[in-house]
Amino acid sequence: LAKTTQPVSMDSYEGQEVNITCSHNNIATNDYITWYQQFPSQGPRFIIQGYKTKVTNEVASLFIPADRKSSTLSLPRVSLSDTAVYYCLVGAGYNNNDMRFGAGTRLTVKP
Amino acid sequence: DTGVSQDPRHKITKRGQNVTFRCDPISEHNRLYWYRQTLGQGPEFLTYFQNEAQLEKSRLLSDRFSAERPKGSFSTLEIQRTEQGDSAMYLCASSINTVRTQYFGPGTRLLVL
Repeated sequence: LAKTTQPVSMDSYEGQEVNITCSHNNIATNDYITWYQQFPSQGPRFIIQGYKTKVTNEVASLFIPADRKSSTLSLPRVSLSDTAVYYCLVGAGYNNNDMRFGAGTRLTVKP
Repeated sequence: DTGVSQDPRHKITKRGQNVTFRCDPISEHNRLYWYRQTLGQGPEFLTYFQNEAQLEKSRLLSDRFSAERPKGSFSTLEIQRTEQGDSAMYLCASSINTVRTQYFGPGTRLLVL
């Protein structure tokens, strides 16, 4: 079971790029890295998923180095509406025993 | 399809009462998951179904918690003899075959007085 470590909180300002790093030193060969976003009083929302190198979608980019022991979620030009909790999960996805939510990173975007 | 739906969105009950929550997954999704989330914590996995089969239930918090998915479509989560410590957000999610990408509902917020 690959455990993840993320910063508890981060602050940023509107228009800045935000990078949230997740450490997963024990990642296994078949594990993927998945990020979710959660706003207050809502369920988490899938943002992005990757296995290696770089993945980009309309919301974010995910950078994964060659050793895959960490990953970085990059949010370009954040706005106030990006204030949320961001969760990093690592697992192969075969069953729920190998994908657990931690406490996440609470991102606060200031004007 | 409008996504995963949960009903009710809010529930206030008195200690000792039974409560039941409903989850309707995205229609083509064969997996359905239940989570509990308390303030400041990430979602805590409770149980999941693949079609109508409950494949993991060891993480249900106590024998007061039970879940069903009788026809492989919607699911219900029941809490019997509620306690104040059961106050939390109960989340449902669904997916196709893999747990890697889950789609969550808005949750049911339970308050036990």
